[in-house]
Amino acid sequence: RKEVEQDPGPFNVPEGATVAFNCTYSNSASQSFFWYRQDCRKEPKLLMSVYSSGNEDGRFTAQLNRASQYISLLIRDSKLSDSATYLCVVSTGGFKTIFGAGTRLFVKA
Amino acid sequence: GAGVSQSPRYKVAKRGQDVALRCDPISGHVSLFWYQQALGQGPEFLTYFQNEAQLDKSGLPSDRFFAERPEGSVSTLKIQRTQQEDSAVYLCASSHFGAPQETQYFGPGTRLLVL
Repeated sequence: RKEVEQDPGPFNVPEGATVAFNCTYSNSASQSFFWYRQDCRKEPKLLMSVYSSGNEDGRFTAQLNRASQYISLLIRDSKLSDSATYLCVVSTGGFKTIFGAGTRLFVKA
Repeated sequence: GAGVSQSPRYKVAKRGQDVALRCDPISGHVSLFWYQQALGQGPEFLTYFQNEAQLDKSGLPSDRFFAERPEGSVSTLKIQRTQQEDSAVYLCASSHFGAPQETQYFGPGTRLLVL
């Protein structure tokens, strides 16, 4: 079993739709959680950190469920520019950072 | 300011050749990470430096892979006797202090193709 698992998708949604991604992690000692975004043939960039209480940044909402060991990302009012791969990232508190394989999102007009 | 830079951006190597990949982190960043990203996969952790100290090299796939950061700034990832399975994008990232909750800033990567 992979340490961080994501549905690879692709998710194909129309503009304006709401879409949600989940990610599960296996190490209960994990301490820090993130969503990164990666455009095709580009480097990953931080989208948002994920806090225990949940957090929102504009159209993006991230939630953490420690008991079930999953993280979610909700995107509301999808834009064409949201088309990318979304990487779930987990750190156990040491130096090693574990990335999921990513979920691909295509937003179409 | 300048972000993380990597060179070369593209490298084609013949099987068995040695290659060296360079990373220039953001100035003042203490922590530096190397990742390997295969096509369709997420980045896989290779190694971590805090200043010049290599504190974790658990992700290096074999003893053909070697990384260094002798002065605590620029880092080099060296792959000896390259194999076809080494073909991937090698990403470097830096963060200010390396605390687990910090943002990692990635360079554009080096695309390595081993023929």
